[in-house]
Amino acid sequence: EAGVAQSPRYKIIEKRQSVAFWCNPISGHATLYWYQQILGQGPKLLIQFQNNGVVDDSQLPKDRFSAERLKGVDSTLKIQPAKLEDSAVYLCASSVRDRGPFNEKLFFGSGTQLSVL
Amino acid sequence: AQSVTQPDIHITVSEGASLELRCNYSYGATPYLFWYVQSPGQGLQLLLKYFSGDTLVQGIKGFEAEFKRSQSSFNLRKPSVHWSDAAEYFCAVAPFGNEKLTFGTGTRLTIIP
Repeated sequence: EAGVAQSPRYKIIEKRQSVAFWCNPISGHATLYWYQQILGQGPKLLIQFQNNGVVDDSQLPKDRFSAERLKGVDSTLKIQPAKLEDSAVYLCASSVRDRGPFNEKLFFGSGTQLSVL
Repeated sequence: AQSVTQPDIHITVSEGASLELRCNYSYGATPYLFWYVQSPGQGLQLLLKYFSGDTLVQGIKGFEAEFKRSQSSFNLRKPSVHWSDAAEYFCAVAPFGNEKLTFGTGTRLTIIP
């Protein structure tokens, strides 16, 4: 079974530049998450999609971050403009859960490591 | 709001020795509890999860965890560690019926020969 694919693997940009990350979840997975993992911390949820709709983006800094999941499959996360504190690993995760109680585990991608200089 | 505390930032254990990683959570009701492992350059992998029922949960790679409601703890254990267990371990909590995870800050495990 193919896993959650993310690209690029690494990205180095200067502050105030823009950057985009791409995620291809496991086929058939309805739920998709983006997490931000700053060095030395646990992952923090940024946004949750159910199919192509946003379920929760309460922790997404909307003044600079945006995300979309067109057609309920692939997703992109964008930062514009980037700040130094955005340096982190951005993890994408997906699960098959569509409705009902949580009884499925999340599958995580390997992440995109962003360095903002 | 829910939160997770992993009091040990870094633990070093000899290969073959037993392991216990601590996790305390704060949540108003019975949460869903998880342990994930992250190896360098890898995504997070689920070791085990607790939803309800038996408070001793068995996971992959020989790990187990025990839910203790009275102590708000969900400690991870392994009777004998292998060099391949060296990684970062994260405890996480999610509200009942919800899969939005709140992670702890992680414990880095180093294995020495």
